[in-house]
Amino acid sequence: AIQMTQSPSSLSASVGDRVTITCRASQGITNDLGWYQQKPGKAPKLLIYAASSLQSGVPSRFSGSGSGTDFTLTISSLQPEDFATYYCLQDYSYPWTFGQGTKVEIK
Amino acid sequence: QVQLVESGGGVVQPGKSLRLSCAASGFTFSRYAMHWVRQAPGKGLEWVAVISYDGSNKYYADSVKGRFTISRDNSKNTLYLQMSSLRAEDTAVYYCGRDFYNFWSRNTYGLDYWGQGTLVTVSS
Repeated sequence: AIQMTQSPSSLSASVGDRVTITCRASQGITNDLGWYQQKPGKAPKLLIYAASSLQSGVPSRFSGSGSGTDFTLTISSLQPEDFATYYCLQDYSYPWTFGQGTKVEIK
Repeated sequence: QVQLVESGGGVVQPGKSLRLSCAASGFTFSRYAMHWVRQAPGKGLEWVAVISYDGSNKYYADSVKGRFTISRDNSKNTLYLQMSSLRAEDTAVYYCGRDFYNFWSRNTYGLDYWGQGTLVTVSS
């Protein structure tokens, strides 16, 4: 199975900060990667698909980049509603695998 | 609007079986592959299984292969997960999710809709 290594596992940031989360695949996955946001007690929500495509309805402050093995999720200006846990997911081959998650907390 | 509603969770003893259901509405269920994803308490997400739109293809995580069976009834717009030989480590919230499939490009892009989850607790 493809391993997804996500970093950092947590970070503290202030409203307005630029935040970057990375995900590395154990082998090339072209651009078959998505980013999900999960708030406590809620189901995950798709933010970015195909590494860099913004899902409908998601604010433009979220962006994704990368291909092959290295991927990045960027939040350009952190808003109060963005404090959550973020996961990457490779959908290149089964079994699909998630990164370990990054918890974004208020500084 | 797309809705996915899981049910069937509860407390079950180790070694026993349980069947989860996911009722779908708001879209043509028979055109989409469907997935199960789980999340142990306080832990990250783990993909569990997928079934193709017509039930002909199924894939599983290694951790559940041989113990869990995914199935669907397109006449009832319902997805199932039959879980057997349950272990303490299967304790989790189980989510069903719709495959994000683009019919024009014929590519899949993860999961675009999720249910609210159902909690399975394996304990004696």
